[in-house]
Amino acid sequence: EVQLVESGGGLVQPGGSLRLSCVASGFTFSSYTMTWVRQAPGKGLEWVSFIIGSSRDIYYADSVKGRFTISRDDAKNSLFLQMDSLRAEDTAVYYCARDVDNVTPDYMDVWGKGTTVTVSS
Amino acid sequence: EIVMTQSPATLSVSPGERATLSCRASQSLGSNLAWYQQKPGQAPRLLIYAASTRATGIPARFSGSGFGTEFTLTISSLQSEDFAVYYCQQYKEWPPYTFGQGTKLEIK
Repeated sequence: EVQLVESGGGLVQPGGSLRLSCVASGFTFSSYTMTWVRQAPGKGLEWVSFIIGSSRDIYYADSVKGRFTISRDDAKNSLFLQMDSLRAEDTAVYYCARDVDNVTPDYMDVWGKGTTVTVSS
Repeated sequence: EIVMTQSPATLSVSPGERATLSCRASQSLGSNLAWYQQKPGQAPRLLIYAASTRATGIPARFSGSGFGTEFTLTISSLQSEDFAVYYCQQYKEWPPYTFGQGTKLEIK
């Protein structure tokens, strides 16, 4: 079964850090572009970052650029999101998702269940 | 950045009836558009890609149409499990991926 499982969410104070993980199973993880998407409470979906499968090129939303770092460990079938200098507006459910295209990011066909990040004092 | 606008924000429809959801892009996408369904407390689920192609396992009552800047998701005969929030997403230009703000489909 193709599956993504996120972990690492929690409560953190403003200015703090958190590292999210996403473990993949059931498919050849190294062949895929992987994406983080977040959803603030009661709000819509917001793309955060992706790392392209073929080139390992990385892109970020302006709202997180310079504060978040995406990475992957293909040997461990894992995707990560290091989140530093966290703000209240980063409070959201963070989803890990698989992109269908290895070269040009397209749409996401597999999603994890998400992990909740709350930034509050 | 391509801005995606969905309408209406909320759509009230009775079970068994047809629902039509709209998505408009601020510039031409060709057919580079996807639709997702999200139920409360769940992750989004891919319904449609390339504007009109159903994803694996998606029932035939879901259909997508459109090209360029105007797109439509139609659910031909609403089932109870179809009441959810629907998002469109463009993948013509990135970064960033952009999503519409969502349409909530509720029971009338």
